Amino acid sequence: AIQMTQSPSSLSASVGDRVTITCRASQGIRNDLGWYQQKPGKAPQLLIYAASSLESGVPSRFSGSGSGTDFSLTISSLQPEDFATYYCLQDYNYPRTFGQGTKLEIK
Amino acid sequence: QVQLQESGPGLVKPSETLSLTCTVSGGSISTYYWSWIRQPPGKGLEWIGYISYSGTTNYNPSLKSRVTMSVDTSKNQFSLRLTSVTAADTAVYYCAREIIVTTGTKFDPWGQGTLVTVSS
Repeated sequence: AIQMTQSPSSLSASVGDRVTITCRASQGIRNDLGWYQQKPGKAPQLLIYAASSLESGVPSRFSGSGSGTDFSLTISSLQPEDFATYYCLQDYNYPRTFGQGTKLEIK
Repeated sequence: QVQLQESGPGLVKPSETLSLTCTVSGGSISTYYWSWIRQPPGKGLEWIGYISYSGTTNYNPSLKSRVTMSVDTSKNQFSLRLTSVTAADTAVYYCAREIIVTTGTKFDPWGQGTLVTVSS
């Protein structure tokens, strides 16, 4: 199975900050990667698919980039509602595998 | 708008079988892939597998020997069975739709999740 390694595992930031979360695949996965946001007690929600395509209804402050093995999710200006845990997910092959998550906390 | 809802027992005894059902509303189950994903308390997400409307399945090798998925298109439902459970199977179980489009793959929507605790 493809291993997905996210960094950092946690991150403290302030409202208005620009933050970047990275995800590395153990082998090349083209651009077959999604990013999901999970708030406490809630199901994950899709933010980005195909590495850089913004899901409908997701604010434009979220962006994704990368291909091959290295990917990133950037939030250009943090809003209070963005404090959550973020997961990458490779959909290059099965079994689908997630990164371990990045918890974004308020500084 | 498609919505998913998990249902099933919240408590299962060790060595017994976990059974969950996901009901799809607002759309037909007769397309896409229908997945199960779980999350142990305080931990990350694990993909369990999927089933298509025609009954094609694909399971995570780590669970394959214990997992069975089924689909009932007449009820717009799909189900998960996990045998010989242990405490390590305690988790929130989510059902989700997997959509594969020309530009990529989406897991959307997800059910709200149901906590299953394995304990005697």
